[in-house]
Amino acid sequence: GAVVSQHPSRVICKSGTSVKIECRSLDFQATTMFWYRQFPKKSLMLMATSNEGSKATYEQGVEKDKFLINHASLTLSTLTVTSAHPEDSSFYICSALLAGSYNEQFFGPGTRLTVL
Amino acid sequence: DAKTTQPPSMDCAEGRAANLPCNHSTISGNEYVYWYRQIHSQGPQYIIHGLKNNETNEMASLIITEDRKSSTLILPHATLRDTAVYYCIVRGDRGSTLGRLYFGRGTQLTVWP
Repeated sequence: GAVVSQHPSRVICKSGTSVKIECRSLDFQATTMFWYRQFPKKSLMLMATSNEGSKATYEQGVEKDKFLINHASLTLSTLTVTSAHPEDSSFYICSALLAGSYNEQFFGPGTRLTVL
Repeated sequence: DAKTTQPPSMDCAEGRAANLPCNHSTISGNEYVYWYRQIHSQGPQYIIHGLKNNETNEMASLIITEDRKSSTLILPHATLRDTAVYYCIVRGDRGSTLGRLYFGRGTQLTVWP
């Protein structure tokens, strides 16, 4: 299957700083990518849909100024957590949509963010 | 919002079949049933999906009831590496909902040696 990577896999930062997470589709082009967050022992929560060349679509309750999404190319979407606080500590997972007959979605390995 | 209901946990002996049920009584005619699994601290992995017919691939079989209100994922010969949280998801594949996945709580499957 297609491969999606995330970088970094783990990041620890101080409160008030911003953190950028990259999501790349390695062997296919993805006009649509998705960002999820997952708290310990909880399910994945869809945060936003990232569309190449246009603004992201955020799910209800997700602050767009807090979680900046940029999808500048067909293989790269970035999520920036601005002015991070301890409550932003979570597991962030991206996925990329392989357009076609089944619109299959491939997930990255996730990024563990810890805000001190 | 997730449109599915799954038991929170199930056990299975290694080598036996694991049958994971899912209820999706409000599924619409154009919505597919997708199954993913997530091994601890990893990204979800696609398993199988279907619309109305039963499906089989190298990983699993998917049985969808005739009224499409429920389905069962079957792992024919479970191994220890199948221990994971299994998510049943109903997904539309058209328009603004294209690709969006809303995860429920899933079923924690534990395979015992």
